[in-house]
Amino acid sequence: DIVLTQSPGTLSLSPGERATLSCRASQTISSNHLAWYQHRPGQAPRLLIHAASIRATGIPDRFSGSGSGTDFSLTISRLEPEDFAVYYCQQYGSSPRTFGQGTKVEIK
Amino acid sequence: QVQVQQWGAGLLNPSETLSLTCAAYGGSFSGLYRSWIRQSPGKGLEWIGEINESGSINHNPSFKSRVTMSLDTSKQQFSLKLRSVTAADTAVYYCRQAWCNAAGCSDSWGQGTLVTVSS
Repeated sequence: DIVLTQSPGTLSLSPGERATLSCRASQTISSNHLAWYQHRPGQAPRLLIHAASIRATGIPDRFSGSGSGTDFSLTISRLEPEDFAVYYCQQYGSSPRTFGQGTKVEIK
Repeated sequence: QVQVQQWGAGLLNPSETLSLTCAAYGGSFSGLYRSWIRQSPGKGLEWIGEINESGSINHNPSFKSRVTMSLDTSKQQFSLKLRSVTAADTAVYYCRQAWCNAAGCSDSWGQGTLVTVSS
């Protein structure tokens, strides 16, 4: 199974700041099939990014994904109040699909 | 925009079978990809399995042979059964439907069902 390691575990930032989240895979992810999800408390997760860098429909352009192979990142250019949440990466290039353990972005 | 609604029993005894169903409403149903995901208390997300557009099923081997997934295209519903549950299966279970069309790719999740396994 591909193990995804996200860092940091928690990111403490203020609204308006830039957030950079990392996701490292234990082996190369096929076709860069790496997705990012946002999970707000009390809500279902939602897809932000797929194929490592393509924003899902309706996702604001302050969210961007990059990377390839085993190293990926999600950047939120300017944090809005609604962006404080837990973010997960997931690989879907091989089975079983696996998730990272999550990065919590909290208000400083 | 596809909306997804899920339902099923929330309290089970050990050794019983978890049964959840998910229905999709609205939008186009081409290029669909349906999956089940759970989140145990205090933990992250865990992929249970998926049904792709052609109806092929792929599930997480960690569940061994306990998982059954099915699809009823006439009703736009898909279901999950997890047999012989234990306390370790206590979690919020989500269904997810993902699709791609000319506008791009997106997804819609069910509201989540808290399933508690306890005697």
